[in-house]
Amino acid sequence: AQSVTQLDSHVSVSEGTPVLLRCNYSSSYSPSLFWYVQHPNKGLQLLLKYTSAATLVKGINGFEAEFKKSETSFHLTKPSAHMSDAAEYFCVVSVPGSYIPTFGRGTSLIVHP
Amino acid sequence: GAVVSQHPSRVICKSGTSVKIECRSLDFQATTMFWYRQFPKQSLMLMATSNEGSKATYEQGVEKDKFLINHASLTLSTLTVTSAHPEDSSFYICSARYVGERETQYFGPGTRLLVL
Repeated sequence: AQSVTQLDSHVSVSEGTPVLLRCNYSSSYSPSLFWYVQHPNKGLQLLLKYTSAATLVKGINGFEAEFKKSETSFHLTKPSAHMSDAAEYFCVVSVPGSYIPTFGRGTSLIVHP
Repeated sequence: GAVVSQHPSRVICKSGTSVKIECRSLDFQATTMFWYRQFPKQSLMLMATSNEGSKATYEQGVEKDKFLINHASLTLSTLTVTSAHPEDSSFYICSARYVGERETQYFGPGTRLLVL
């Protein structure tokens, strides 16, 4: 079985300050992990993914995430938030074989001017 | 690359009618497509997984006779909401993946369905 926990339903930051969106996972096998972003009334866009290669993964728009097996975490970070980063972010886990994804509940990122 | 489209983007229909939503992979062949439903302020709920040329696999609690899924080609899957009711109003999103990158899903832009 696999599961994903996004620890914060909302994260509020000021423009130009760092962003940290937390994600913990549970999986019986070596997982693949993803972060997606969803802007209002839009589909999901892939930000980055971890699939058993380098543990520090760089994505689009300045985002990156680090896979920490010992902590079962895959937190998403960005050094400096932009207003355009305001959106819903989903952490997703899937396991080899089935590749059926499990979604976290989502974290709403709010960016203040 | 890996672009997925959905049509229509928005549809309003009367209760009792059927609505078809198309999901297309534009620049790759999608061996598997997924259909999700999303309620406001909530995460995505997987409805079914469809593989080209075979019957869809529905998640528990999803009525297969209500939500008909067809995956007739490697670039097209359709979801038909039959005899729609107001409670079927929702945001429906499809995703697709291909053989060369089985772990990753690419999402369509979603279809907003409103049943009056």
